[in-house]
Amino acid sequence: GQQVMQIPQYQHVQEGEDFTTYCNSSTTLSNIQWYKQRPGGHPVFLIQLVKSGEVKKQKRLTFQFGEAKKNSSLHITATQTTDVGTYFCAPLDGFQKLVFGTGTRLLVSP
Amino acid sequence: DVKVTQSSRYLVKRTGEKVFLECVQDMDHENMFWYRQDPGLGLRLIYFSYDVKMKEKGDIPEGYSVSREKKERFSLILESASTNQTSMYLCASSLNYEAFFGQGTRLTVV
Repeated sequence: GQQVMQIPQYQHVQEGEDFTTYCNSSTTLSNIQWYKQRPGGHPVFLIQLVKSGEVKKQKRLTFQFGEAKKNSSLHITATQTTDVGTYFCAPLDGFQKLVFGTGTRLLVSP
Repeated sequence: DVKVTQSSRYLVKRTGEKVFLECVQDMDHENMFWYRQDPGLGLRLIYFSYDVKMKEKGDIPEGYSVSREKKERFSLILESASTNQTSMYLCASSLNYEAFFGQGTRLTVV
């Protein structure tokens, strides 16, 4: 099946620093979603990207879909302690099958 | 609000027992999913269903089966529980793309 790798696996930043997680696929993706899971919680949908080269912003979060649709990234500007959690990318195939990447765990120190 | 409800938050079962994990969604979603989440491995798809009585294997179906007799209910069955099935199990449902998750069931097999 589709496999997506995320890097880094873990990152610890000071509040106010930027953070980026990368999602890489060996195959071309039709679209990709991003989810956030707070500690002790369940994954919550953030966004879906569909078009090649697409960039979407949600306040301090910027999501990108690569031109070749094989990679994606999530960038957080000026992290806050509320950004703590694990961020997952998840490609959705044509049969509505949703497979998650390995996730990047973000820790933010005040 | 979409609600996805998993029948138990915590379960302890003995090796060899048959275990049923139940998931119910209240938004008439076509697609339902079962994942297991383990540290460092992200969310791995066990089975998914895109319609009543339809099921598709995910990436790790061995040792599991599923049942979807009604649209709102998707059950995960561990035919003979083993200690390596100790994990957090997450159910999700979706209509088109955004997936909504239940609160999870932490299963311990002793």
